[in-house]
Amino acid sequence: QVQLVQPESELRKPGASVRISCEASGYIFTSHPINWIRQAPGQGLEWMGWINTISGQSTFAQGLTGRYVFSLDTSVNTAYLQIDSLRTEDTGVYFCARYSISSPYYFDLWGQGTLVTVSS
Amino acid sequence: SYALTQPPSVSVSPGQTARITCSGDALSRQFTYWYRQKSGQAPSVVIYMDTERPSGIPERFSGFSSGTTVTLTISGVQAEDEAVYYCQSADFTGTYRVFGGGTKLTVL
Repeated sequence: QVQLVQPESELRKPGASVRISCEASGYIFTSHPINWIRQAPGQGLEWMGWINTISGQSTFAQGLTGRYVFSLDTSVNTAYLQIDSLRTEDTGVYFCARYSISSPYYFDLWGQGTLVTVSS
Repeated sequence: SYALTQPPSVSVSPGQTARITCSGDALSRQFTYWYRQKSGQAPSVVIYMDTERPSGIPERFSGFSSGTTVTLTISGVQAEDEAVYYCQSADFTGTYRVFGGGTKLTVL
C-alpha cells in the first residue's frame, strides 16, 4: 500500500526539541521529494519546504527561521522534521507530503499529520 | 511574500453549482492545484495543473484558469463535498510553494 505514516501526536515543553518522522511505503522512496506543511489550530496550510530524497538537500520557505531541520534515513525510507527551541506558537499539525514524480510538482500523497503540542 | 487570495466561505444548496476563486499575481505563469480537506483529515488533490482531474475525482469537479484568477467549480454539489478547499501554486521563480487561505464550502 502506497502511504506515508506519521506518529499521531507529540507533546513537548517550551524550549525543547521534537523530531517528527514520515515513513514511506509502497513506492521507491528516492523517486519523490518530501515536503513538510504545517497547520496551526483552526488555520490554513503553510508550506515549510522540501527535501530532495536523493541528495538530502533542503529548501525552506521564505521567512522560516533556522530552528527547522529536514533530514532523511533512506535505509528505513523515512524523512524527518526537527524543530528546535519550541515555542507555544509551534503548536499545530505537521504534514509530510510527497511531490509527484515529475514536473510540474504537486503534493500527490500526504501523511495523516502529527499534532505537536507545545505546553508547559 | 507572495500570497494567494480565496474567499473564506461559499455556501450552496445540494444540486447547485459552487465556484471558488483563487487570485495571485503569478497565476498566469504557474500552474494551480486544488486540495480538499475534510474535517480531521489530511488534504488531497482534486485538480492539478489548473484543469486536470486525478483518477477517482468525480467529473463534477473542474478547474478553469484566466489570467491571474483560477476557479474551482463543483457542479451538482453533494453533501459529501462539504470541506475546506485550498488552492496552491508557486511564486514567479517557481522555487517557493504557497497555499491560499482556504475556502470553507458549506452545503446547506
